Amino acid sequence: DAGITQSPRYKITETGRQVTLMCHQTWSHSYMFWYRQDLGHGLRLIYYSAAADITDKGEVPDGYVVSRSKTENFPLTLESATRSQTSVYFCASSRLAGGADTQYFGPGTRLTVL
Amino acid sequence: GQNIDQPTEMTATEGAIVQINCTYQTSGFNGLFWYQQHAGEAPTFLSYNVLDGLEEKGRFSSFLSRSKGYSYLLLKELQMKDSASYLCAVSGAGSYQLTFGKGTKLSVIP
Repeated sequence: DAGITQSPRYKITETGRQVTLMCHQTWSHSYMFWYRQDLGHGLRLIYYSAAADITDKGEVPDGYVVSRSKTENFPLTLESATRSQTSVYFCASSRLAGGADTQYFGPGTRLTVL
Repeated sequence: GQNIDQPTEMTATEGAIVQINCTYQTSGFNGLFWYQQHAGEAPTFLSYNVLDGLEEKGRFSSFLSRSKGYSYLLLKELQMKDSASYLCAVSGAGSYQLTFGKGTKLSVIP
């Protein structure tokens, strides 16, 4: 029972490079979410998806791109990484809409942009 | 928009009881969640309140007052493993999203 997984768990990259963070869930949950967590800010929503091919912006979407061609995968791409995108990134999924159901979080990806 | 406030840090003694408060202002309300997050780990679900009142689950209880925009998480018989951050999260009416507070870091001391 894999649940929700993220890869890589740790990533160091340089300013200007493209980086893709992967998220995979085995529950067939409809809803998936990407958050970033920074000291002093808590968890902030980047993008979310209600189903395959349906995505929408969250609170802090600038500099990020998402896609969802399959229900189980929800990759997050940083098109041109900046130092301000150094953070811990969490993917989450839920069976129902985020406000009506528990969100289950992946283990996180710690990204450092040099 | 939504605004969620909770204390930044708290310290409590092993075996004691601690109450972590959360106040919120939202445009509409669907429900309130509490999550636990140990250092370096992912948040894990603790409780969900949608109606006023107290929800009890073992050593943990969560209370909600919708009219006051207030919730608390009560932890009884504290154990060292309860040292973690506790996140309050609120969903507004008609929203797919959760808005998280900045979290309360609880330290349990012997």
